[in-house]
Amino acid sequence: EDKVVQSPLSLVVHEGDTVTLNCSYEVTNFRSLLWYKQEKKAPTFLFMLTSSGIEKKSGRLSSILDKKELFSILNITATQTGDSAVYLCAVEKYIAGGANNLFFGTGTRLTVIP
Amino acid sequence: DGGITQSPKYLFRKEGQNVTLSCEQNLNHDAMYWYRQDPGQGLRLIYYSQIVNDFQKGDIAEGYSVSREKKESFPLTVTSAQKNPTAFYLCASSGDREQLNTEAFFGQGTRLTVV
Repeated sequence: EDKVVQSPLSLVVHEGDTVTLNCSYEVTNFRSLLWYKQEKKAPTFLFMLTSSGIEKKSGRLSSILDKKELFSILNITATQTGDSAVYLCAVEKYIAGGANNLFFGTGTRLTVIP
Repeated sequence: DGGITQSPKYLFRKEGQNVTLSCEQNLNHDAMYWYRQDPGQGLRLIYYSQIVNDFQKGDIAEGYSVSREKKESFPLTVTSAQKNPTAFYLCASSGDREQLNTEAFFGQGTRLTVV
């Protein structure tokens, strides 16, 4: 059975702290792993990872994938209150015919305190 | 601009009524999804469709129905059989056949409240 597990479920930090969010998965026909940030409404895309060991970076956020150990981490350095959100991890699996299937974790709720 | 549009943004339903949530995309995506989100919980998959005229049940399909008559459209009907329909519903699409590894795009969601 395909599944995506995120940890921790919630996290409270102070501004300026560095956080690491975890995502492990068991999905057949893996295609890619995606991170999203959800504040109030629709999740917004952060990263897509397809290859092991290659870090993707965007400002204070970075992410890396380990396809051997089946996990990914999302790092946020020098956290700000605007980083407070639910961070979702999703794994995309290849389905015969060219389309894809998405499986989401339950998310990690990050709260950054001033 | 390409994107995915859900409507309405807010919906109120009386108990015993069926309601249909709209989801339209112009991204040429093959796959479309419906998720339900409840407070304190992650996204749970209701139904998904890989291709026109085909769809599959997700983890919590009971009390819901869908159709995929056009590539662009994937409406979700919340039937009276759904015991606890009050939730935030998100539609997503992904997987352009002409590109590899495209991320999923989400609509802005529909908040359904049963009164």
